[in-house]
This record gives sequence, C-alpha cells and structure tokens, in this order.
Amino acid sequence: DSGVTQTPKHLITATGQRVTLRCSPRSGDLSVYWYQQSLDQGLQFLIQYYNGEERAKGNILERFSAQQFPDLHSELNLSSLELGDSALYFCASSASPGLGLETQYFGPGTRLLVL
Amino acid sequence: AQSVTQLGSHVSVSEGALVLLRCNYSSSVPPYLFWYVQYPNQGLQLLLKYTSAATLVKGINGFEAEFKKSETSFHLTKPSAHMSDAAEYFCAVSLNAGGTSYGKLTFGQGTILTVHP
Repeated sequence: DSGVTQTPKHLITATGQRVTLRCSPRSGDLSVYWYQQSLDQGLQFLIQYYNGEERAKGNILERFSAQQFPDLHSELNLSSLELGDSALYFCASSASPGLGLETQYFGPGTRLLVL
Repeated sequence: AQSVTQLGSHVSVSEGALVLLRCNYSSSVPPYLFWYVQYPNQGLQLLLKYTSAATLVKGINGFEAEFKKSETSFHLTKPSAHMSDAAEYFCAVSLNAGGTSYGKLTFGQGTILTVHP
C-alpha cells in the first residue's frame, strides 16, 4: 500500500459526459501528479500540482482540468468524454516540488470506460 | 526532450534463470532513471532509481540496474527469477532540476515478464 488513495476504482460513463477523479496523496506529500495509461499511448504524464499550484503540464487535453485543494487532495476533471479517453488514470505523490530525483508513490488508479 | 525505449515488450524466462530487461534513454541533460513494477490491477511500485551517486543501483526484491552513460542504458537484472516476479516493468526518466520538466516522469512502453515453472 503506497498510501495514495484514488476514488472511484472504476467508472463507466457515456460519450459527452463529465467525470471527476479524486486523489488523496500520502500524508505529508505536497506534490500530486496525474498520469494516463492507455493501450495505444502507454503511460503519459498529464499534470503536476505542488501545494495548490500548477507546477508542470504534459500532454493534457483542453477538455481535461485539474486542481489541488488546501487539504492537498486533487481532482482531475474530464469533460466531453470520447471513446479514446478510456484508460487507467493514476495519481502519484511526492514530498518535494519536483526536483527530478524524488520517488513518486502511485495510487491504485481509476479505470475509466467511456461507452 | 527525454525519451525511453524498452527493448522487448514481452520477456519470458524460467524460474531460477537470469532476468534481463533492457532500457535505453535519450536525454539532453544528465538524467535520473527509474524502474517501476506494476502487478495486475495495481499501481506502480518503485524498484530502484539512479540519481547520479553510484552507477550500480540495488533495489527491492533482488533487482539491480547499472547506469552506463556511454551506452545510454539502464538495464534491469535479477540473477534468479521467481514466479512472483511476473509483472509489467517500466523504465522511466526524469530531468534534474536544471531542466524544465521538474518531476515529470517519461515512461517506456513497458515489458511484460513471464516466469515459467
């Protein structure tokens, strides 16, 4: 158990809908990272927050947005869902703002299926 | 920009045999390198990481990896495979603080390790 929790575990929805994925980092970690794992694209970095502020952005679609709240939990919002958004979404956390060498601890993921 | 190539999407070994999973990286600045393991229906777990201290890095579960700058490689090895090693393994790279990618991990495509009795 990494100490990172993600809810829900599974999500099934329809095209065009909007969903929210939630992540609680390990106790004391200030950085939260979001990754998408799909069969065709592999594991891709989406976005990072540190202590409530956006720190780095990756291949995140404009239909996707995220935020980190004062209690440090984070939410990833996916809107106007398409079939291709079906994937496993991971959240990871680390103690530091992202110096490159810190260990990122991954949650169990949320499996999203868009029908 | 950095990238990672894992040679071989599937590797199959017999229990007790040597495990060798290959990883080559590309980075414009000195990299930090990681190996993560993913068991079915679970998140990723760190096996080991290279952060420019020792080039031979020992990790959990008997795994180790050697950073070879001249070959831009960071291959993962284990002398004797166990059935419980069956999983998917990911090599990843991040840039040091001098780069602009902060803690972003760039992953390879993954290698599925199968261990036969």
